[in-house]
Amino acid sequence: DGGITQSPKYLFRKEGQNVTLSCEQNLNHDAMYWYRQDPGQGLRLIYYSQIVNDFQKGDIAEGYSVSREKKESFPLTVTSAQKNPTAFYLCASSIQGPWTEAFFGQGTRLTVV
Amino acid sequence: QKEVEQNSGPLSVPEGAIASLNCTYSDRGSQSFFWYRQYSGKSPELIMFIYSNGDKEDGRFTAQLNKASQYVSLLIRDSQPSDSATYLCAGQYNNNDMRFGAGTRLTVKP
Repeated sequence: DGGITQSPKYLFRKEGQNVTLSCEQNLNHDAMYWYRQDPGQGLRLIYYSQIVNDFQKGDIAEGYSVSREKKESFPLTVTSAQKNPTAFYLCASSIQGPWTEAFFGQGTRLTVV
Repeated sequence: QKEVEQNSGPLSVPEGAIASLNCTYSDRGSQSFFWYRQYSGKSPELIMFIYSNGDKEDGRFTAQLNKASQYVSLLIRDSQPSDSATYLCAGQYNNNDMRFGAGTRLTVKP
């Protein structure tokens, strides 16, 4: 089955630690995205990538880093510089061009303990 | 600035009524608009998208786009309790950049 897989579903981080959230897709999509969602709020764009080895910052990139070494994979690292990382993180992908919907993974809920 | 704004609600309608959800956007470079539904704790799922001025209908859902007023809406006819969710409006730009509004929480009361 084609789709987007995020792992883990739940993640606990100690303060000061870096953690990496995994996102893999087998839809052959060129574009991939990372969004953050806080309780009762919409999605805020962290990073997006249109092609392998290229990515752009979204509105809230500070404290996060990404890589796009393979078309299928777009991992997100939440660094210790991110002061309030507790949130629901959603990865998405789409084909290139306008009028193309984004397909979402099931999300990772990150909690700082 | 690429901003998409929604009234966060909550919006409550009785079962069988029409629910009207609204969204405005600030960047005229937006090419297409999407409405997603998100149940609590789940990922968003696409309801429909629109990129031309006017109305687009799909079953009980109608999306409306007015580019002159920079306004997008979603109408849900014959609302059902299962429609209770948060509805997210998103605008897409030339380079696949997709921005979401804060979402409107809809409750349909039996």
